[in-house]
Amino acid sequence: QVQLVESGGGLVKPGGSLRLSCAASGFTFSDYYMSWIRQAPGKGLEWVSDISSGGKTIDYADSVKGRFTISRDNGKNSLYLQMNSLRAEDTAVYYCARGRTILVPWGQGTLVTVSS
Amino acid sequence: EIVLTQSPGTLSLSPGERATLSCRASQSVTSNYLDWFQQKPGQAPRLLIYDASSRATGIPDRFSGSGSGTDFTLTISRLEPEDFAVYYCHQYGSSPWTFGQGTKVEIK
Repeated sequence: QVQLVESGGGLVKPGGSLRLSCAASGFTFSDYYMSWIRQAPGKGLEWVSDISSGGKTIDYADSVKGRFTISRDNGKNSLYLQMNSLRAEDTAVYYCARGRTILVPWGQGTLVTVSS
Repeated sequence: EIVLTQSPGTLSLSPGERATLSCRASQSVTSNYLDWFQQKPGQAPRLLIYDASSRATGIPDRFSGSGSGTDFTLTISRLEPEDFAVYYCHQYGSSPWTFGQGTKVEIK
């Protein structure tokens, strides 16, 4: 079955960096757009970034532009999010999801906490 | 960007009752590209409805979506115990894609 598993979250100090990964299985990864969406504790959902199937078309939310970089390795069926210059307001559960517009399914999420 | 406003914030209902959730957009949603997600505590969101009114695979027919332009509705015809959750609308007609703030459906 289609499965997405995120990893790489953790506690990081303000200004620090973290790289999230999303391992995909059960579908032809290279055929699909992929997205990152985040959810701050107790809050709603915020789209973060997406990347086309071949990796050539990328888009970011203004809140992360210039600090986060999305990438993918179709040979490894994996999606990544490099997060630099992290701020307290980046604290959230980060989900990867298959698709760009219709997002299904989602992974279980990985928690990123930015705190000193 | 398109702002989605969901109402009410919380809906207190009993099992078997009908739930009507609203999502209003600050401007018209292109091609009615709006969907609805359900999220339970500690779980990822699950797609219920896409393109305003199409049910996603495996979603029971008690869930239905309607609306167009700026006003959209998710209806749960008869609430089952497993339907008590938070529901989010999401538009993907205009970048950046945006989500509503959510409606919590709780047991009365």
